[in-house]
Amino acid sequence: GQQVMQIPQYQHVQEGEDFTTYCNSSTTLSNIQWYKQRPGGHPVFLIQLVKSGEVKKQKRLTFQFGEAKKNSSLHITATQTTDVGTYFCAGPPGNQFYFGTGTSLTVIP
Amino acid sequence: DAGITQSPRYKITETGRQVTLMCHQTWSHSYMFWYRQDLGHGLRLIYYSAAADITDKGEVPDGYVVSRSKTENFPLTLESATRSQTSVYFCASSELGGRLHTQYFGPGTRLTVL
Repeated sequence: GQQVMQIPQYQHVQEGEDFTTYCNSSTTLSNIQWYKQRPGGHPVFLIQLVKSGEVKKQKRLTFQFGEAKKNSSLHITATQTTDVGTYFCAGPPGNQFYFGTGTSLTVIP
Repeated sequence: DAGITQSPRYKITETGRQVTLMCHQTWSHSYMFWYRQDLGHGLRLIYYSAAADITDKGEVPDGYVVSRSKTENFPLTLESATRSQTSVYFCASSELGGRLHTQYFGPGTRLTVL
């Protein structure tokens, strides 16, 4: 079954508000990846985190990997309409990849 | 991204029919994957392949068959389609194992089983 849980499932924000999605795994992950899928599109890789407690930034996006390597978060500061889409975390126990259920972000102009 | 393509992009079929979804990548990536995407379930791995002639089951393999005779192709066959297999199917490839390497996704095939 699904080993990577993601919350919330849906999030509506006003443009300019912040947004956070959380990813939790039942097992320790060697690394975690984040993907973005625009409506009608395919998942596109955003970033990978490997180290315990790692924090990485991409412009307005901040990614964190938990100290125990069982959880991760993605925070978007001052959302824009271009941020619309579904954000997935993915973690590999082995060569298989378990994707979280995703958080669908709607940005209201 | 033109590096990984899927065909057809849309397919309507009937219950019981055999359907094959094609996936082709031009990067010579070792690993290839098939996922299905359904509302509320995210992306679920069906099968993956580490190299030509090496395939392994993922999370939801029942009702599907794969083969990989050439590195660049990874077809997915539904031997006898069922309504529960209505879904969007994504093929992906990775330079090495998914563990530490980015997966590149194809545009997807939307399959409807009537």
